Amino acid sequence: NAGVTQTPKFQVLKTGQSMTLQCAQDMNHEYMSWYRQDPGMGLRLIHYSVGAGITDQGEVPNGYNVSRSTTEDFPLRLLSAAPSQTSVYFCASSKIQGPNTEAFFGQGTRLTVV
Amino acid sequence: QKEVEQDPGPLSVPEGAIVSLNCTYSNSAFQYFMWYRQYSRKGPELLMYTYSSGNKEDGRFTAQVDKSSKYISLFIRDSQPSDSATYLCAMRTDSWGKLQFGAGTQVVVTP
Repeated sequence: NAGVTQTPKFQVLKTGQSMTLQCAQDMNHEYMSWYRQDPGMGLRLIHYSVGAGITDQGEVPNGYNVSRSTTEDFPLRLLSAAPSQTSVYFCASSKIQGPNTEAFFGQGTRLTVV
Repeated sequence: QKEVEQDPGPLSVPEGAIVSLNCTYSNSAFQYFMWYRQYSRKGPELLMYTYSSGNKEDGRFTAQVDKSSKYISLFIRDSQPSDSATYLCAMRTDSWGKLQFGAGTQVVVTP
């Protein structure tokens, strides 16, 4: 049972480069989201999606794009990497309906922008 | 001012002690409250979930919610070295969807 799978686990980028962080879930969850985690800041929501073809911005969306073409996949694109985007990125998924819609997290992608 | 405030610690306790963690929040629309545990270099995992004021117990863990004071707590009884992790409080206004996290408290339980 894979759950939420993120790739890559580690990445070093140069300023100005672009890249895509991959996220896939096999639980048929409607809701998927991307967070970044920085020391002392907790997890902050970047973008989220409530289903294929539907995405919306979270708390810190600038510099990131997302798309949701399938239920399973929710990639996060960095358009032009900046040192301020050095962080640990987590993808999460959850069901929309039900009394306890637990969010399942991936293992994270550690990104360093130099 | 952050919507959810949590002391980042670190909190160091001897094995067997009671660990007490808490968060305060400012948004009275929050209805669902969670505690996540995050081991080093891992993703968060759900530990406790509650949507009403009062206490909820699960083994050595007790979650407490006081909506009138906008205050939630997590207690860990008989703490073990395996409880060493970062504990994040989280809350949401709907039963699903966007989570607002606290900064997380690092807990170290020493043998």
